[in-house]
Amino acid sequence: NAGVTQTPKFRILKIGQSMTLQCAQDMNHNYMYWYRQDPGMGLKLIYYSVGAGITDKGEVPNGYNVSRSTTEDFPLRLELAAPSQTSVYFCASRKAGTGGTYEQYFGPGTRLTVT
Amino acid sequence: DAKTTQPTSMDCAEGRAANLPCNHSTISGNEYVYWYRQIHSQGPQYIIHGLKNNETNEMASLIITEDRKSSTLILPHATLRDTAVYYCIVNSGNTPLVFGKGTRLSVIA
Repeated sequence: NAGVTQTPKFRILKIGQSMTLQCAQDMNHNYMYWYRQDPGMGLKLIYYSVGAGITDKGEVPNGYNVSRSTTEDFPLRLELAAPSQTSVYFCASRKAGTGGTYEQYFGPGTRLTVT
Repeated sequence: DAKTTQPTSMDCAEGRAANLPCNHSTISGNEYVYWYRQIHSQGPQYIIHGLKNNETNEMASLIITEDRKSSTLILPHATLRDTAVYYCIVNSGNTPLVFGKGTRLSVIA
């Protein structure tokens, strides 16, 4: 298994440009998440999905959009990039289920700079 | 989800046990204690989790107090590769994980 993969690894955007951060997992996990991490801070949840066709906002969703058309893929779209979106973006996934028994797997991250 | 409190940073000598504390005094009965770590800007990595009982795996041990208001992650023989930020998270398993700032552990040769 490749686990959780993210592309690209690095990207520099100009203010106002748009882009899509790709995330894919091959573990047949229902739950997928997007986090961002600013320097010296913890991870903040942007959006998450509990299955194909279902998405929900996290703590910091403004300026982002997501879609979940398949179990494997969970792309994050940035429209009209702003310097405040300069950050490291992590995608994660885990099995469905309750009771806290399943660990969350993270991708390697995408480092985005908006100038 | 209940809030956690962790020291900002800790040092540990290589080869010694690293004991990382976490306070979670408002934890609910159905909430688990999770530990993740993040090595130098990589994606966070799951370490261990527990509900009431102490837990051990190949990476670490988790000691949870009887009242469940605090816990300690133990790395029995810390190595330089254990230098990382360690996150203690309380979660019921039904909602996304919420990450605080964690404890920055420096293992010193």
